[in-house]
Amino acid sequence: GAVVSQHPSRVICKSGTSVKIECRSLDFQATTMFWYRQFPKKSLMLMATSNEGSKATYEQGVEKDKFLINHASLTLSTLTVTSAHPEDSSFYICSAKPGQGFAGGYTFGSGTRLTVV
Amino acid sequence: LAKTTQPISMDSYEGQEVNITCSHNNIATNDYITWYQQFPSQGPRFIIQGYKTKVTNEVASLFIPADRKSSTLSLPRVSLSDTAVYYCLVGPGGDDKIIFGKGTRLHILP
Repeated sequence: GAVVSQHPSRVICKSGTSVKIECRSLDFQATTMFWYRQFPKKSLMLMATSNEGSKATYEQGVEKDKFLINHASLTLSTLTVTSAHPEDSSFYICSAKPGQGFAGGYTFGSGTRLTVV
Repeated sequence: LAKTTQPISMDSYEGQEVNITCSHNNIATNDYITWYQQFPSQGPRFIIQGYKTKVTNEVASLFIPADRKSSTLSLPRVSLSDTAVYYCLVGPGGDDKIIFGKGTRLHILP
């Protein structure tokens, strides 16, 4: 089936540094990918829509200068958390919609646990 | 995007059939109903999708009445490993963004 690979699965960084999270579609091309964040015991919150070859579309309240998204190819989108602070600690998840030939809805990565210390 | 309402939590026992109902009163004509399952510290996993009547796969069944204003996810003979959060989503498909509701936290007891 369609697979989305997310890396790293967990990362600890110091406050003020930047962290990059990768999201790859392994067996399909994805012109659109989505980035979510999730706090403990809460639902997923959509942060932005990543569009291949163009700028990302951010949801209201999400700082585009803090959460940099790059979708340089049809199989890779990256989320960079810049100047991370402890309040950015969260679970980040990406997703993509496989095209024809794959049954089902969206495919999600396994998530990245970011801890800022 | 149609708003969905689900029970916040449910408890059941191993071996039982579990039915989780989702209300989506303002579902649009071109909207599909999709259910996802999420375990702690993992991304959501697709369970089942339907448009009307009944859909069944190896994991679950999805019942959708004629007015499509609600849907019921049915999990047969649950086990402890079915303890997870289940999300009902309604949307037109394609590459449209999907917005998650609060989901239903299902707890299976031995």
